[in-house]
Amino acid sequence: EAQVTQNPRYLITVTGKKLTVTCSQNMNHEYMSWYRQDPGLGLRQIYYSMNVEVTDKGDVPEGYKVSRKEKRNFPLILESPSPNQTSLYFCASRFLPTITGGELFFGEGSRLTVL
Amino acid sequence: QQQVKQSPQSLIVQKGGISIINCAYENTAFDYFPWYQQFPGKGPALLIAIRPDVSEKKEGRFTISFNKSAKQFSLHIMDSQPGDSATYFCAASIEAAGNKLTFGGGTRVLVKP
Repeated sequence: EAQVTQNPRYLITVTGKKLTVTCSQNMNHEYMSWYRQDPGLGLRQIYYSMNVEVTDKGDVPEGYKVSRKEKRNFPLILESPSPNQTSLYFCASRFLPTITGGELFFGEGSRLTVL
Repeated sequence: QQQVKQSPQSLIVQKGGISIINCAYENTAFDYFPWYQQFPGKGPALLIAIRPDVSEKKEGRFTISFNKSAKQFSLHIMDSQPGDSATYFCAASIEAAGNKLTFGGGTRVLVKP
């Protein structure tokens, strides 16, 4: 089954404790991206990657890191989480180049709470 | 600065009614306008999309209307069903610029039986 898998789905942590949210896709997509979803703000892009070893900042990258060592994996790293990073996080992927607009396939989300 | 503004934030409609969600954009270079549907506990999924060379696109009970001069587009859900209860996001992108999606703030739709 084609899917984007995120882990953990739920996490409660404390300020300053490093954490990693993993993302893996089995569709051989070149493009992967992380979003955060906050009420009234929609989905805002954190980081994206066009291919292995190629990553770039999105709209809200502060406090986050990513890496793309393998095509299928795109982990999101919070080196020193703060309460304002409490949010619902989504990983997404799609093919490149886009001919028909590029449908994004999303994971089921990771709800993070930073105390 | 929100480049895609979506309204309303939430709406309640009776079964069989019409749900209408509106989006307005600022960047005239946007050339791809998708709508994503998100059920509780799930990630968003592509519902329907339109390009500015057409003014309307219909897929089943879902219709996108596009007004290029007004820089607005809207989603109409005809004969709304309880199973349509979800959060809907409009988005816009520039295909030549890598198709990075800019999302609206989302609309939570509740269809009452």
